[in-house]
Amino acid sequence: DIQMTQSPASLSASVGDRVTITCRAGQILSSYLHWYQQKPGKAPKLLVYAASSLQSGVPSRFSGSGSGTDFTLTISSLQPEDFATYFCQQSYRTPYTFGQGTKLEIK
Amino acid sequence: QVTLKESGPALVQPTQTLTLTCTFSGFSLSTSGMRVSWVRQPPGKALEWLGRIDWDDEKRYNTSLKTRLSISKDTSSDQVVLTMTNVEPLDTATYYCARSSGVGSTRDALDIWGQGTMVTVSS
Repeated sequence: DIQMTQSPASLSASVGDRVTITCRAGQILSSYLHWYQQKPGKAPKLLVYAASSLQSGVPSRFSGSGSGTDFTLTISSLQPEDFATYFCQQSYRTPYTFGQGTKLEIK
Repeated sequence: QVTLKESGPALVQPTQTLTLTCTFSGFSLSTSGMRVSWVRQPPGKALEWLGRIDWDDEKRYNTSLKTRLSISKDTSSDQVVLTMTNVEPLDTATYYCARSSGVGSTRDALDIWGQGTMVTVSS
């Protein structure tokens, strides 16, 4: 199975801050890497697919980058509604695997 | 509009078999490339992919759970069924179904998710 290591596990930031979350894969994924946002009691929501493509309807302050084994999700200017947990996921090979999540909290 | 919705028992006794149904609309699982996955999330923990079924009835499973899992589809009813045998308290989680496409630019991202259904395994 492909291991996904996400960091940090938690992050405290303020509205307006720029934040970056990192995901490292145990093997090369090409661009088969996706990012999801999950709010308490809700289903995950796809933010970025194929490493850097923004899902329809997602604000442009979200961006994804990376290739190979190292990927990042950046939020350019945090908004109050962005405080949530973020997960990365690989679909390069089954079984699909997720990162452990990054909980983004208000400072 | 694409929607998926999970249904099934909220409480299951240990050693029993859990059966969950994902009822979807807005797409057809007979369309080339379409896939439906099951994902679960224990309370306060990370997401875990359980398995998927494809438009051509190909199935793939989580490595550690594959002996206990079975996924099937009823294309005429637009439903996918997950069966998990011999459940235990560690299987307590919210279970989600989600759609993806194995063709095109999305690289099989899980683009639409159901709302999830909470299952508790307890005697």
